Amino acid sequence: GNSVTQMEGPVTLSEEAFLTINCTYTATGYPSLFWYVQYPGEGLQLLLKATKADDKGSNKGFEATYRKETTSFHLEKGSVQVSDSAVYFCALSLNTGGFKTIFGAGTRLFVKA
Amino acid sequence: NAGVTQTPKFRVLKTGQSMTLLCAQDMNHEYMYWYRQDPGMGLRLIHYSVGEGTTAKGEVPDGYNVSRLKKQNFLLGLESAAPSQTSVYFCASSLIGQGGNSPLHFGNGTRLTVT
Repeated sequence: GNSVTQMEGPVTLSEEAFLTINCTYTATGYPSLFWYVQYPGEGLQLLLKATKADDKGSNKGFEATYRKETTSFHLEKGSVQVSDSAVYFCALSLNTGGFKTIFGAGTRLFVKA
Repeated sequence: NAGVTQTPKFRVLKTGQSMTLLCAQDMNHEYMYWYRQDPGMGLRLIHYSVGEGTTAKGEVPDGYNVSRLKKQNFLLGLESAAPSQTSVYFCASSLIGQGGNSPLHFGNGTRLTVT
């Protein structure tokens, strides 16, 4: 079946540290891949996306590269800020059949000043 | 630009009570969805709609009903609430079917507690 696995949290970092949140997927066909972010008390919002292999999505200093050979879409940021504290969800969406985005369980990030 | 608006934000029900969650979007999106979010489980799709007057079951539809009488509104109903329905509920919409060029837009959620 189709699924998304992301690293368990919480992840705790100091301000200006390097961030990596691992995400791997299993899918039939050719999915689009997403990272959504959920700030406290809010709904999810799209952070970045990639629609085909080797595409790099980027936004607000975050990056992720669609790696078909390793079925991965790891999220990275070179220097985190306190304001990046949130829950991050990796997700895939298949372009054929159904109307369903499959979400990972989410990874909570705490950034300390 | 309001985006996706959910009401209420919080609600406490007793077992067996009923309620309706309201969702409204002002982006003229065709597709709307209801998800529930539970700790460690990500988001799970309850029901969705591909257009006005249509509804379909998602991954966890039991115990819920939905209606889409107007394009901008999507209602989620609980006829007889159970403690297992304690969760945070999110409404979302997308311009067309979910995919790379049509990401989801979420409301801020409704926290429901069933005692």
